[in-house]
Amino acid sequence: EVQLVESGGGLVQPGGSLRLSCGASGFTLSAYYIDWVRQAPGKGLEWVGRSKNKADSYTTEYAASVKGRFTISRDESKNSLYLQMNSLKTEDTAVYYCATEGAVAGPDFDHWGQGTLVTVSS
Amino acid sequence: QSVLTQPPSASGTPGQRVTMSCSGSSSNIGSNNVFWYQQLPGTAPKLLIYSNNQRPSGVPDRFSGSKSGTSASLAISGLRSEDEADYYCAAWDGSLSGPVFGGGTKLTVL
Repeated sequence: EVQLVESGGGLVQPGGSLRLSCGASGFTLSAYYIDWVRQAPGKGLEWVGRSKNKADSYTTEYAASVKGRFTISRDESKNSLYLQMNSLKTEDTAVYYCATEGAVAGPDFDHWGQGTLVTVSS
Repeated sequence: QSVLTQPPSASGTPGQRVTMSCSGSSSNIGSNNVFWYQQLPGTAPKLLIYSNNQRPSGVPDRFSGSKSGTSASLAISGLRSEDEADYYCAAWDGSLSGPVFGGGTKLTVL
């Protein structure tokens, strides 16, 4: 069974850093494009960024709102993906989900983790 | 302010058919596939419709999607209490070089 599990969320002060993890089971993460999507409390969904698969050199892309502050990386040996978040702002407060991209071009997010809450506050 | 525009709320009674809209532009819906997600309270979103009108395995045929020009719609027939959820549309946006979402429609089953 395909399963994604996020971890690493918590309370951090503005300007601080946090690293989220997305662990996979039931499949090999390196074969898939993996996206991060966030949801601020009581708000809608917002795409954060993605890591393409190994065949596409793990190329990363980011939303304008996080570009230069957030970095996505992978560890093949741990079948995991990470979201390094630096220079955090209060508006980054959200539940962060990782999701696999399916075969169809576009936001075809066919498997999601349960999410991890990041709170940026002093 | 979301790139795709959805009405904030919709409602219906059990057994009814409800529809909800999603409006975009030529850079997103007008030139790319539309996807729909269902988010039950306190859970992660779930893919409901892909490629404008296709259902993933396990999604009941009560759910259907359509697209025309720069707008899309999600229809739910035979409404059930368990359909009460938030529904989001999404599409790739060529101008922004990334996926964009609607603000979501909260469906209430009366």
